[in-house]
Amino acid sequence: NAGVTQTPKFRVLKTGQSMTLLCAQDMNHEYMYWYRQDPGMGLRLIHYSVGEGTTAKGEVPDGYNVSRLKKQNFLLGLESAAPSQTSVYFCATEKNPQSSYNEQFFGPGTRLTVL
Amino acid sequence: AQTVTQSQPEMSVQEAETVTLSCTYDTSESDYYLFWYKQPPSRQMILVIRQEAYKQQNATENRFSVNFQKAAKSFSLKISDSQLGDAAMYFCAFSNTGNQFYFGTGTSLTVIP
Repeated sequence: NAGVTQTPKFRVLKTGQSMTLLCAQDMNHEYMYWYRQDPGMGLRLIHYSVGEGTTAKGEVPDGYNVSRLKKQNFLLGLESAAPSQTSVYFCATEKNPQSSYNEQFFGPGTRLTVL
Repeated sequence: AQTVTQSQPEMSVQEAETVTLSCTYDTSESDYYLFWYKQPPSRQMILVIRQEAYKQQNATENRFSVNFQKAAKSFSLKISDSQLGDAAMYFCAFSNTGNQFYFGTGTSLTVIP
């Protein structure tokens, strides 16, 4: 099992360009999350999904869009990248917060630089 | 709103010694979970230990243990017999029974040979 994978691992964009980050999981988890990690700020939740076809905003959703068309994939889109979006992006999954076992599993991260 | 505070941006420990990382949180809920995640230079987030708030017994995983003080809203991580491989960023996290995790800002642990 691959667990949680993220594509790409690194990317450099110019201001105004668009891109999509892909998160894929083979654990059949219901919940998926996108975080960004910035120095001194820990992980901040961008968007999350509680199931196929559903998405919700997290703490810092502005400038990002997401889609969960298939249960195993969660896409994070940047329509017009800005330097403030330079960060490391992590995808995470969770089986079901209502279950007795509560843990998030993380992907390896994507380092994005916006020039 | 839930908040998680890690007041130690950096810590260091001699190899084979013991170190304690601090974490406090704020919540009005009574049922929740607490976690410590480790992030080595590879960036991969790895779960170290978890604690259910309804359990009074402190969780232990080999050399890692926690001191959970529910009334004080404190959740510290103790690493015994520190090893070079323990060097990493450590994040404390809180989760209610809903669907969001809240992370602290992290503590960078250096292990001195």
